[in-house]
Amino acid sequence: LAKTTQPISMDSYEGQEVNITCSHNNIATNDYITWYQQFPSQGPRFIIQGYKTKVTNEVASLFIPADRKSSTLSLPRVSLSDTAVYYCLVGEDDMRFGAGTRLTVKP
Amino acid sequence: DTEVTQTPKHLVMGMTNKKSLKCEQHMGHRAMYWYKQKAKKPPELMFVYSYEKLSINESVPSRFSPECPNSSLLNLHLHALQPEDSALYLCASSQEAYGYTFGSGTRLTVV
Repeated sequence: LAKTTQPISMDSYEGQEVNITCSHNNIATNDYITWYQQFPSQGPRFIIQGYKTKVTNEVASLFIPADRKSSTLSLPRVSLSDTAVYYCLVGEDDMRFGAGTRLTVKP
Repeated sequence: DTEVTQTPKHLVMGMTNKKSLKCEQHMGHRAMYWYKQKAKKPPELMFVYSYEKLSINESVPSRFSPECPNSSLLNLHLHALQPEDSALYLCASSQEAYGYTFGSGTRLTVV
């Protein structure tokens, strides 16, 4: 069974900031949190990874509260090309995907 | 080289055929994975190899047979598949906790 829970779908408009939250109540002390993006008929692509507090790269930010039982992927100023499925995975030993969040960006 | 290369990109096979999918990486990653993905579903883990040894088999039918000839190469041998086995087959590799790199997949159609 997947250890994570995400919203099934989200809609947004171009230029908006999108926040996708993932719940992982049973996260272990050594677990990292990793987010992936997947377009149709392609393999998932690594977006960002973090352990605690905040991580930022050129694509996204990842916010992790002190208890680490959830995390939020933040995509600034989305465009139509950000329409994809987003998955959060927890831990280095469990590569089983949850259902993910299907983000649709509208013009 | 920061890619996982999968071949072929597309494959059509009959139910009596034998075929193989190939996956290659030259990043020095010591773990490699096979996934199966049906339309509008998440990738489903099939097999995990760690240091060239099979460490996880997710109760996959024996008509799917993985092989890891060396640390850079992963094969998936297919025999007597069923139409419901048609899917996108993804390969991935990883090194410890630093995220996973996926290939672009093989689109398999069983007729």
